[in-house]
Amino acid sequence: KNEVEQSPQNLTAQEGEFITINCSYSVGISALHWLQQHPGGGIVSLFMLSSGKKKHGRLIATINIQEKHSSLHITASHPRDSAVYICAVDRGSTLGRLYFGRGTQLTVWP
Amino acid sequence: DVKVTQSSRYLVKRTGEKVFLECVQDMDHENMFWYRQDPGLGLRLIYFSYDVKMKEKGDIPEGYSVSREKKERFSLILESASTNQTSMYLCATDPRGNDSPLHFGNGTRLTVT
Repeated sequence: KNEVEQSPQNLTAQEGEFITINCSYSVGISALHWLQQHPGGGIVSLFMLSSGKKKHGRLIATINIQEKHSSLHITASHPRDSAVYICAVDRGSTLGRLYFGRGTQLTVWP
Repeated sequence: DVKVTQSSRYLVKRTGEKVFLECVQDMDHENMFWYRQDPGLGLRLIYFSYDVKMKEKGDIPEGYSVSREKKERFSLILESASTNQTSMYLCATDPRGNDSPLHFGNGTRLTVT
């Protein structure tokens, strides 16, 4: 069983819709990362969270440590948001390795 | 801005060849990682390094080795390439410590024929 589970695996939305991607994990963590991967491969770090909520533009990430759950929200979605969104957790070792979810493929249609 | 550079974007090699994938970072980060990414499996850790000449096996090290002779460079070596090593390979770094996001290279898509 993967220690990090994402849902949904695939998500299709119409431009302008509010989008939520969920991440649940089963281990203790020191931080959780949300990453974005566009076609072609490059991965960009969107957020790193250890508690509460962070916002950057139309993206909002929240984490509930007690429930071992995080959500990534996209408001007013746009076709350029189409990408794979990946959740990863840091279990707090000094070596810094992360454990990854399998990703959510988001497609936003105009 | 942190820059993580992978030497090749696309690579085609023959079965049995020795393959070198290079990763160079320009921000003096201690930790460097090699992942492979396959459809439906997500990112899987092959090897990581937390200092020069130090290395640790990840989840799928078989068939791979690594070298870190200088802090900025982390090389992944496929000793004898096989078709099941056809994949996207991604290098990543982080500076170790709290509030340290991960930085990825653009990836190398390796095809072994």
